[in-house]
Parts: sequence; structure tokens; C-alpha cells
Amino acid sequence: QKEVEQNSGPLSVPEGAIASLNCTYSDRGSQSFFWYRQYSGKSPELIMSIYSNGDKEDGRFTAQLNKASQYVSLLIRDSQPSDSATYLCAVGRNQGGKLIFGQGTELSVKP
Amino acid sequence: DGGITQSPKYLFRKEGQNVTLSCEQNLNHDAMYWYRQDPGQGLRLIYYSQIVNDFQKGDIAEGYSVSREKKESFPLTVTSAQKNPTAFYLCASSIAAHSNNEQFFGPGTRLTVL
Repeated sequence: QKEVEQNSGPLSVPEGAIASLNCTYSDRGSQSFFWYRQYSGKSPELIMSIYSNGDKEDGRFTAQLNKASQYVSLLIRDSQPSDSATYLCAVGRNQGGKLIFGQGTELSVKP
Repeated sequence: DGGITQSPKYLFRKEGQNVTLSCEQNLNHDAMYWYRQDPGQGLRLIYYSQIVNDFQKGDIAEGYSVSREKKESFPLTVTSAQKNPTAFYLCASSIAAHSNNEQFFGPGTRLTVL
């Protein structure tokens, strides 16, 4: 079992819809969770971090964390073609501040 | 203008050569990291450094070496012992080496072995 798992996609949604991206992790003791957006050929860009159970909203983005079920999700409201990218889920390890990344979910927003 | 810079953007290496990738940050961050990304895959940790003059191996350190002589610099050398070095190399930094601290990435170096 991989430490951090994501559906590779591609996930295709129409413009204006809600895109839902999911991530599960295996280490029950994990405390920090991050979502990065990566455009093709570019480096990852941090878009959300979440540390407590529940929802965290930032503009059109909402991160949801459920530690009991060991999953974290990212919702993108009013999806735009410019949101088309690969979204990487990362989970923090206590040792040295290391991050464990999932393989990423490719999102395509169709006009 | 704070940030992380990596150079070169593209690098071509012949078999048997060592090459060094540069990573510099002016964010005054203590911790720095090197990751490798292969097509369609997530990032894998090569080396990390929590403080100047100290560094630890990550999950795939074989065939790589690093140094941390200055807080702002963390160069990565890809040696000839690395069997499959063609990949996208990403440097990141965080304010401190703690799991809650956000990591920020440089623009990356794309290495191709000819």
C-alpha cells in the first residue's frame, strides 16, 4: 500500500462545476496535509494546507480533512479552464519536516 | 524579491559525467530539500538539510550527493553512479524542518542523459 494515494485521473469537469479531488494516507499519526497545483512543465505551487479535522476555505478552494477515515480532499468551486493542472496531495512526516507525495490527479476543466 | 532559484533550467549530461544542480533561496529558511519527479509520478525525496553544515539522506539518495555550506545554498550533484538520472529535479525550502511547515518550490531543473 502506498503511503499517500490519489486517483491519477484524468478528472474532467465542465467549466463552472465543482471539482472534487481525493487523497488517502496510511500513517494514522500524520498531522499536516498540503495540496499543490502543478501546471505541465512547471514546479508545484502550494495552494492549501490543513492541520485540523473539518473544512478550510480559501477563495474557490476548500480543503477537507477527516483523520479518522484518513482522507483529505480538495474542492474547487466554479472551476475554470485555468484550473486545469495536476493536483498533488502531500502529507507531512515528523522526521525532518519531510513530505510524502501522492502521484497526483490530473484535472481538466472543459469550456 | 524573495524566492527560490534553480539553475540551469535544462541540463544535458553524457553517460559517466557528474553534474551539479544549483539551488539558492533568499527566504532565510533553515530547511532545504531536493526532490526528483519522473513522468506521471509524484515527488520523491533525495536529500534534505535542516540546518547549515548538516544534511540527511531521503528515500532515494543513492547516486546523489549534496552540501550545505551556506544557509541560502543547497547544491545537488548527480554522480555517474546514478543509474537513471533523467528526471525533473525540484528544490524546496521551509522556514524550519517541522512537518507543519509549508514547503515552497523553485522552478526546477530538467536533466536529460544523452
